[in-house]
Amino acid sequence: AQSVAQPEDQVNVAEGNPLTVKCTYSVSGNPYLFWYVQYPNRGLQFLLKYITGDNLVKGSYGFEAEFNKSQTSFHLKKPSALVSDSALYFCAVRDTPNGGDNAGNNRKLIWGLGTSLAVNP
Amino acid sequence: NAGVMQNPRHLVRRRGQEARLRCSPMKGHSHVYWYRQLPEEGLKFMVYLQKENIIDESGMPKERFSAEFPKEGPSILRIQQVVRGDSAAYFCASSNLPAGQRGGLYEQYFGPGTRLTVT
Repeated sequence: AQSVAQPEDQVNVAEGNPLTVKCTYSVSGNPYLFWYVQYPNRGLQFLLKYITGDNLVKGSYGFEAEFNKSQTSFHLKKPSALVSDSALYFCAVRDTPNGGDNAGNNRKLIWGLGTSLAVNP
Repeated sequence: NAGVMQNPRHLVRRRGQEARLRCSPMKGHSHVYWYRQLPEEGLKFMVYLQKENIIDESGMPKERFSAEFPKEGPSILRIQQVVRGDSAAYFCASSNLPAGQRGGLYEQYFGPGTRLTVT
């Protein structure tokens, strides 16, 4: 069954330090992977995605994520954290219930439970 | 290009009343998704609609909940006879599939959410 795991409920990092928010996945075909961010009292915002190509994907606000097929991971990273990065981060994978790369018109995403990132000044 | 619009932003209902949540997708988007975010549970998929069609409602409770996306107008998530357990944030998202392109885009753009409180 398709699934996404974010093993850390909370990540704390000092401002200016590098940050990593972890995500591992399980899918039957090639994964389509996403990161979203939710700031307090706001809806979700798209950060970046991996569909194919380079394993290192660059996204919004200076974030990047590294796709690692052997470890089935898609960790979110940023070289230097800002206090304003404090938010809830969600990893997601596109559902491929029938396996393979094309699940027809189904665009449902399977979500991790989220990781709360706190950047301390 | 306006983003995904949801209204109302906050909705308070007494137990037994009906709640109607509206979602206007981004211009040109024909796919709409509804999610529910309960405390401590993260985001849960509810239903996926295209214009006039429900594609996947596997995440929606069988009773009291319904959704539609008419040819004209916003998508509506309707909860009849609300109970306290329905209190949550409900997010709508939309996406676009370029015509004739296999695969297409998978980004889902989210609205700000409707916070439903049942008293």
